[in-house]
Amino acid sequence: DAGVIQSPRHEVTEMGQEVTLRCKPISGHNSLFWYRQTMMRGLELLIYFNNNVPIDDSGMPEDRFSAKMPNASFSTLKIQPSEPRDSAVYFCASSRVNEKLFFGSGTQLSVL
Amino acid sequence: RKEVEQDPGPFNVPEGATVAFNCTYSNSASQSFFWYRQDCRKEPKLLMSVYSSGNEDGRFTAQLNRASQYISLLIRDSKLSDSATYLCVVLTSGTYKYIFGTGTRLKVLA
Repeated sequence: DAGVIQSPRHEVTEMGQEVTLRCKPISGHNSLFWYRQTMMRGLELLIYFNNNVPIDDSGMPEDRFSAKMPNASFSTLKIQPSEPRDSAVYFCASSRVNEKLFFGSGTQLSVL
Repeated sequence: RKEVEQDPGPFNVPEGATVAFNCTYSNSASQSFFWYRQDCRKEPKLLMSVYSSGNEDGRFTAQLNRASQYISLLIRDSKLSDSATYLCVVLTSGTYKYIFGTGTRLKVLA
């Protein structure tokens, strides 16, 4: 079985540019989560979807961040415009409702 | 107060030692609990779920204390390969939200 697939693995961009991170959840999982991890703040939940519907986006830091899940097999997290403080590892994870979470390999984002 | 709290460590222990980590949670409606392991520059991976009656998986034992709102992880006969960060995860009833602690770093020394 393929796990959660994220792309790109690494992204280096300049301040002000738009960044789009992509995620393909495990087939059959109906919950999808976006997390951000930094040394200072650990793993922070940004937003999660259940059956493609955003349930809670209270963790999204500001309006520059947006996430979509147009279908059960794809989600994007977009940052526009990006800032240096957005530099972090962004993880996507999926699960069946209330079951174990499985993570993708993450996207290392560096905003210069 | 954070929803899920862990001692960040590091815990430096010799090979073969027994080590225990605790994790406290603030929401009494929390229903499911997990321990994840994260290696440097890798994604978190499930180590074990935590059941009300406590559960064991080889050298690892997890316990839940609902009255005091904490979970624990015990590692016996620690190996060099156990060196990692251990993350406590709590799922609150009705929310679908998995909340992670900041992790406890373990270093097993030869």
